[in-house]
Amino acid sequence: GESVGLHLPTLSVQEGDNSIINCAYSNSASDYFIWYKQESGKGPQFIIDIRSNMDKRQGQRVTDLLNKTVKHLSLQIAATQPGDSAVYFCAENPHSGNTGKLIFGQGTTLQVKP
Amino acid sequence: KAGVTQTPRYLIKTRGQQVTLSCSPISGHRSVSWYQQTPGQGLQFLFEYFSETQRNKGNFPGRFSGRQFSNSRSEMNVSTLELGDSALYLCASSMGHGGETQYFGPGTRLLVL
Repeated sequence: GESVGLHLPTLSVQEGDNSIINCAYSNSASDYFIWYKQESGKGPQFIIDIRSNMDKRQGQRVTDLLNKTVKHLSLQIAATQPGDSAVYFCAENPHSGNTGKLIFGQGTTLQVKP
Repeated sequence: KAGVTQTPRYLIKTRGQQVTLSCSPISGHRSVSWYQQTPGQGLQFLFEYFSETQRNKGNFPGRFSGRQFSNSRSEMNVSTLELGDSALYLCASSMGHGGETQYFGPGTRLLVL
């Protein structure tokens, strides 16, 4: 069935280090992927997205990598800060032509130690 | 531009009751999607409305329903509430063309006793 899974439920890093959050997806037809950050008591906040015709997308302190061969996404956060502490979700849009349906992974909790 | 708003933010109901949640999308957005978030199941897609029509539906029982108005505001209704319906209900809006960013509201926290 359709699923998007995260490899690690919790990631603990030292402030200033780089963080890497991984995600595997199962639907090879998916062509649009989004990373969200969710802080306690809030809704998911958009971080970055990538389409299947790209391998890499860069934002401010974040890099999104897509490996279609192994159906894998990776979110890299440079110089991780305490404010980055949150749960991170990857999501795929399996039928991007005309649908707003997103399939989410279970989430990775990022803990930043000062 | 104002973000997605949801009302109420918190709700306590008892089993067997029904509940209606409201979502106002970002101005100009025509698609509203609803998701249920629980610790055990994560974020699960309920349904999507576009131009007042349900365009997609997830794997939830018929007790979960929704609608969209001409101003793109959306409501979802859960009838005959069960304990397992306790969750954070999130709505997200987008332009509606598919393959685009969805912006989420803060959610409605529903507790069923």
